[in-house]
Amino acid sequence: DSGVVQSPRHIIKEKGGRSVLTCIPISGHSNVVWYQQTLGKELKFLIQHYEKVERDKGFLPSRFSVQQFDDYHSEMNMSALELEDSAMYFCASSLRGACSDYTFGSGTRLLVI
Amino acid sequence: GDSVTQTEGLVTLTEGLPVMLNCTYQTIYSNPFLFWYVHYLNESPRLLLKSSTDNKRTEHQGFHATLHKSSSSFHLQKSSAQLSDSALYYCALSDRRGTGSKLSFGKGAKLTVSP
Repeated sequence: DSGVVQSPRHIIKEKGGRSVLTCIPISGHSNVVWYQQTLGKELKFLIQHYEKVERDKGFLPSRFSVQQFDDYHSEMNMSALELEDSAMYFCASSLRGACSDYTFGSGTRLLVI
Repeated sequence: GDSVTQTEGLVTLTEGLPVMLNCTYQTIYSNPFLFWYVHYLNESPRLLLKSSTDNKRTEHQGFHATLHKSSSSFHLQKSSAQLSDSALYYCALSDRRGTGSKLSFGKGAKLTVSP
């Protein structure tokens, strides 16, 4: 698959639990961004990494942390999960330039029960 | 800060009628890049259109948009809506230079096309 790959596709966790979401960007894309979408609402910006450095943080809860590795893949570590964390989490990657559009992954659907 | 405004939350049209989704933006950059993304149910958002130079129209899959810096707008249009156009449409602004772009998305417009 030459697109952005996210795993897992679906996950169910209990309240208070932990989860790890993974994003593998398109080869050559060093810019990786995470978005959250709840119930078909707007895409909410969580965090951006470029060249393995955090460049901007949006609505990322303090219970979550994101890291970008040497091969540019990204992992979101989620702890103390709350019911409100139930959402679709999209990762997107792009090339460096400001005019570069994003390619989105298929998303991870997280359900916290 | 930089922001994107989409005024229509829900748009319902009859097939064959024209589509117009509004997008205005605010940015400190004199040469912004604007995008339209389409998000079909159970799929991931994908690029529909990307802006070109000022006052130049860009087209794709029957949709078109023109960046107008004078009015800070990048409205999406289509002459005749099809049932398959039903989706969420997001306008986005690229607001970063040199450290990887970060797209700021509008709240989206849900387009429903009925027979």
